[in-house]
Amino acid sequence: GEDVEQSLFLSVREGDSSVINCTYTDSSSTYLYWYKQEPGAGLQLLTYIFSNMDMKQDQRLTVLLNKKDKHLSLRIADTQTGDSAIYFCAWKDNTDKLIFGTGTRLQVFP
Amino acid sequence: KAGVTQTPRYLIKTRGQQVTLSCSPISGHRSVSWYQQTPGQGLQFLFEYFSETQRNKGNFPGRFSGRQFSNSRSEMNVSTLELGDSALYLCASSPTSGDTGELFFGEGSRLTVL
Repeated sequence: GEDVEQSLFLSVREGDSSVINCTYTDSSSTYLYWYKQEPGAGLQLLTYIFSNMDMKQDQRLTVLLNKKDKHLSLRIADTQTGDSAIYFCAWKDNTDKLIFGTGTRLQVFP
Repeated sequence: KAGVTQTPRYLIKTRGQQVTLSCSPISGHRSVSWYQQTPGQGLQFLFEYFSETQRNKGNFPGRFSGRQFSNSRSEMNVSTLELGDSALYLCASSPTSGDTGELFFGEGSRLTVL
């Protein structure tokens, strides 16, 4: 299957940490990705993790991968108002096309 | 380096008409993918072109078609438009197929079908 599920909405206070979760059903992908979509814009790659890694840290971003449970998460430390956007997890299926999750809308309030 | 450019940004059509959307990838990128984004269905893969050949295709009816030119620019066409075709159509390019997978997206063409 190609289903990639995410919670629809997350609201956090500025300065707190945000955790966005993603559950997928197919683990054949070499890489798993997090993309960000700001209002009125296309998507941009935030970070990616190689499938044989458990964790990747990149400044304020931490990606955790639990292959056994097919669970991917993105943690944003010290969340800022500029982080308000829709976040998509994504992976490549066995035909090499990029499949996106349903997206999580992150709202950061002061 | 200029980003991915999509034209037109906004357009309104009526049912039964056809529409052509254009995408100019980042210079040097040979792979172009198209996605449809709607509130209900999220991001759905349409097709991918690489060196003028369709390399991959999503589960859309034959009314949706595309092509890629020798300069890597791509167009997609939707014929006999339906209300449900109203969506944001996103184009993305990448240097090659089968690498780490980063796609560079344009801002999209927002199609409204009345």
